[in-house]
Formats: sequence, C-alpha cells, structure tokens
Amino acid sequence: DAGITQSPRYKITETGRQVTLMCHQTWSHSYMFWYRQDLGHGLRLIYYSAAADITDKGEVPDGYVVSRSKTENFPLTLESATRSQTSVYFCASNTGTGGYTFGSGTRLTVV
Amino acid sequence: RKEVEQDPGPFNVPEGATVAFNCTYSNSASQSFFWYRQDCRKEPKLLMSVYSSGNEDGRFTAQLNRASQYISLLIRDSKLSDSATYLCVVTLSNAGNMLTFGGGTRLMVKP
Repeated sequence: DAGITQSPRYKITETGRQVTLMCHQTWSHSYMFWYRQDLGHGLRLIYYSAAADITDKGEVPDGYVVSRSKTENFPLTLESATRSQTSVYFCASNTGTGGYTFGSGTRLTVV
Repeated sequence: RKEVEQDPGPFNVPEGATVAFNCTYSNSASQSFFWYRQDCRKEPKLLMSVYSSGNEDGRFTAQLNRASQYISLLIRDSKLSDSATYLCVVTLSNAGNMLTFGGGTRLMVKP
C-alpha cells in the first residue's frame, strides 16, 4: 500500500536491550524524520535524513542510531534501551518542502 | 524560551461556537508555517498551511502576523469532531526542511 508505515505498532522491551523501530515509505520522498512525543515535551526531533546515506542529528539524538541505505527505509535503533526512552515514536517524510506526512507511530515501553 | 509556544488549553467550547488559537514563534527568520491536528496521540495530520495573506479552508481560517511573530487559527461553527489537539508548526531559516512543533492546544467541543 502507498504511504508511510511504521512497525511494530507496540513494543515492550527490557532495559539494556537493543531494539529497532522500522519506517518505510513508498513515495520516494527524499527527506525522512524520526520524532518522539512525550507528555509535557511535545514532538522532538531525534534524527533526520535528507537522502540515502545522509543522516543528521536532531534535538534529542543521544542513545539512538539511524541508517538510510535505501531511500524508502529509515530504521531507528535504540542501542541499549533505557526507561527514559519510553515514548511514542513517529516517523515522517516529505519531498523537501511543505508539511510532513507521518506514520501511525510506535508505542515503546522500556521496563 | 521555547521556539514555538502555544497555550496548552484545554479550550472547552459548545458546539457551534467560534474559537481561536494563537501561537508565537521566536525566530523572526522563520519561513513556513502550518497547523496540524492530532487526535488522542495518533499521528499528527496536516490541517493547513499558513500564508502571509491569510487563508481559509471551510470553517478554518489561518492568519500570520510576521511583525508580531504569531500565527492564529480560527474555527467557526465548531463540531464535536473538531475535538483534538492543534499543533502550531514552523520551519526555521537555518534548519533546512525541519519542522519545529509547538506543544499543542487541546480543544474540547461539547454538545
């Protein structure tokens, strides 16, 4: 299906484990973004990518790693999950101008 | 000071009422402006772009005041389905394509 999809929708993991959140878009948009949303903080940018093999840090990158080997995929990895990374994670994409289209989000709980 | 500030609300209004939200931004060189809508921590969805001349989309009117650095959203004839959180969003001149989100204003429309 066309659009932007995130997986999994829900994830519970233990402190210290590595976990990867997937994001896939079918529009060939050049830009992709990862945000986290927490009560009291709104949406905060973690990492973004302007094109395949080009990534850059956002406002809150510590503890996260991204890669972009293909235009359509932009996975986000928590190398060693901490409880403070419990959040809702949204992936988004756009062509380089205008607003974003967001995925449905991944609700991650770190116990 | 946050880059994009909004009154978190909630704004509680009866059906049929007119309600207005304001948003202020700190960077005078901000270039693009948007209103997004978010329901119950689902993904944010683009409601409308905001243009300097003001623009209208059905019951929704957006205004931009560059001199005072604020953006407004007016909703006329409120519907129950308008209940949501409204996010003010800007792009900063030195941030390429990245959007910066306000914390959101919650609207509750009551019968």
